[in-house]
Amino acid sequence: KQEVTQIPAALSVPEGENLVLNCSFTDSAIYNLQWFRQDPGKGLTSLLLIQSSQREQTSGRLNASLDKSSGRSTLYIAASQPGDSATYLCAGGSETSGSRLTFGEGTQLTVNP
Amino acid sequence: EAGVAQSPRYKIIEKRQSVAFWCNPISGHATLYWYQQILGQGPKLLIQFQNNGVVDDSQLPKDRFSAERLKGVDSTLKIQPAKLEDSAVYLCASSLDGGRGQVPSGANVLTFGAGSRLTVL
Repeated sequence: KQEVTQIPAALSVPEGENLVLNCSFTDSAIYNLQWFRQDPGKGLTSLLLIQSSQREQTSGRLNASLDKSSGRSTLYIAASQPGDSATYLCAGGSETSGSRLTFGEGTQLTVNP
Repeated sequence: EAGVAQSPRYKIIEKRQSVAFWCNPISGHATLYWYQQILGQGPKLLIQFQNNGVVDDSQLPKDRFSAERLKGVDSTLKIQPAKLEDSAVYLCASSLDGGRGQVPSGANVLTFGAGSRLTVL
């Protein structure tokens, strides 16, 4: 059974700083890993999806990497902005579950102007 | 394209009452999911449908929760009777494909609705 852990639970940084959010998973036979953003009172917005055959995906200032052997994924945010403040969730699907995702608890990010 | 629609957005009920949530996925999406998100936690899958068939309902408390997806499009999630611990946001999501096979890039991307926030008093 896939288990997903995110560290840290909360992070506060000044505007402009580059930052890394961490995600670890227990089942190395991961099918895909997705990063989501959740704003208060809102649903989840998909940011990046990394298939098991890939090592990273990039979208604008975001870069996500996947290391199956170590059971880790990172989300790198470059030149952070106050608008990046949100909770970031990673979720993994195992080989047996496909797109059925197991979520981490999330990292609550605050970017201070 | 229109997103995933959910209603109601908010619902307050007393324990032992019943409640129903409705979801309309993105047109053409075969797979539909219901997740429960308790405050401060990540979403937990309750049930997954592929068209109108149940793929996984192993974490659905079947003594009080039920869900259906008639005609493979809309879905309803019902709780009867509700307990205090059912207070949460109920998120509906859909994806083009939920399988493991050779799918086009992005077919597994989940699109979430805004959620239905339930408060049980």
